[in-house]
Amino acid sequence: SQELEQSPQSLIVQEGKNLTINCTSSKTLYGLYWYKQKYGEGLIFLMMLQKGGEEKSHEKITAKLDEKKQQSSLHITASQPSHAGIYLCGADLKIQGAQKLVFGQGTRLTINP
Amino acid sequence: SQTIHQWPATLVQPVGSPLSLECTVEGTSNPNLYWYRQAAGRGLQLLFYSVGIGQISSEVPQNLSASRPQDRQFILSSKKLLLSDSGFYLCAWSLPSGGGEQYFGPGTRLTVT
Repeated sequence: SQELEQSPQSLIVQEGKNLTINCTSSKTLYGLYWYKQKYGEGLIFLMMLQKGGEEKSHEKITAKLDEKKQQSSLHITASQPSHAGIYLCGADLKIQGAQKLVFGQGTRLTINP
Repeated sequence: SQTIHQWPATLVQPVGSPLSLECTVEGTSNPNLYWYRQAAGRGLQLLFYSVGIGQISSEVPQNLSASRPQDRQFILSSKKLLLSDSGFYLCAWSLPSGGGEQYFGPGTRLTVT
């Protein structure tokens, strides 16, 4: 079965600093999804990557999928307190009829003022 | 625009009691629907998914069941709760085409005592 490993598991950064979260798959990624979750709330969709080498940005968050499609990174530039939360990556298992995702364990991001 | 609702937001139930969690989606037709559980230290686990009314697929053997009595209604149930059923339950939907991102509800925090 496909597994996703996220690193680091937790991250504490000073406000204004850049940071990177990684998501590594044991198998080829056909679709890679990044979500953000605040404690006790639902997941908010950030970005989806499908093509090897693809890169997408939204405000100060950039996500990339490597050429081999087995690793993705999420980069935050000039972090702000609003970026704090849990970031999860999810992989599309490519099952016909329904989109089934398997998720990494999450990375807990804390931003210190 | 589409909206997903879950209730109740929080629930405290004794061991052996029944359970019913409800999820409804507005603004879309024939969505794929999903139930996830997020337990501390165990990440996000897919429990059930449905591609249509009365069509339920179970991912893991457990003490829970799911039903889809209407197109945009998804219910998670148990006849007798176990302590291990405690967790944060999330409902999600995706477009019926089977591709693209999933959108999550606000979640239900279940504590079994």
